[in-house]
Amino acid sequence: DIQMTQSPSSLSASVGDRVTFTCRASQSISSDLNWYQQKPGKAPKLLIYAASNLQSGVPSRFSGSGSGTDFTLTISSLQPEDFATYFCQQSYSTPLYTFGQGTKLDIK
Amino acid sequence: EVQLVESGGGLIQPGGSLRLSCAASGLIASDNYMNWVRQAPGKGLEWVSVLYSGGTTYYADSVKGRFTISRDNSKNTLYLQMDSLRAEDTAVYYCTRMSSLCNSTRCHTWYDPWGQGTLVTVSS
Repeated sequence: DIQMTQSPSSLSASVGDRVTFTCRASQSISSDLNWYQQKPGKAPKLLIYAASNLQSGVPSRFSGSGSGTDFTLTISSLQPEDFATYFCQQSYSTPLYTFGQGTKLDIK
Repeated sequence: EVQLVESGGGLIQPGGSLRLSCAASGLIASDNYMNWVRQAPGKGLEWVSVLYSGGTTYYADSVKGRFTISRDNSKNTLYLQMDSLRAEDTAVYYCTRMSSLCNSTRCHTWYDPWGQGTLVTVSS
């Protein structure tokens, strides 16, 4: 199985900050990497697919990059509604699409 | 609007059975690759099973032989039959569609949309 490792596991930041999350795959997954946002008690929400493509309706302050084994999700200017947990997911190894353990973003 | 609505969760004793349902609207479940993904309390996300439009099914090793995914095309509903339940199956179970975008070289896939989830608690 492909293992996905996210760092950091938690992050404290302030409104207006620029934050970056990292996701590393245990083997090359090309650009088959997706990012999801999850708020407490809610289902995950797709933010970025295929490493760098913004899902329709997602604010442009979110961006993704990377290929191979190393990927990043960046929020250019944090808004209050962005405090949540973020998961990466590889969609390279069909059908076993594994997720990272998540990065919890909270208010400093 | 595409919507997935899960139901059927609850408290069940170890060794028991439960059937989860996922009612789809705004999409035809039988035309899509439909998945179950679960999340144990305070934990990450774990893929459980997929049912392809053609009928092929796959399962995570942790549930293989105990869980069965199926659908009722007339009801546009996906199911997850869970037998021989264990404490470690306790989780919120989400239904989600696998979406894809293909270019000349490969297809990229992701999960969207997701249902709201249904909680399964396995405990005596």
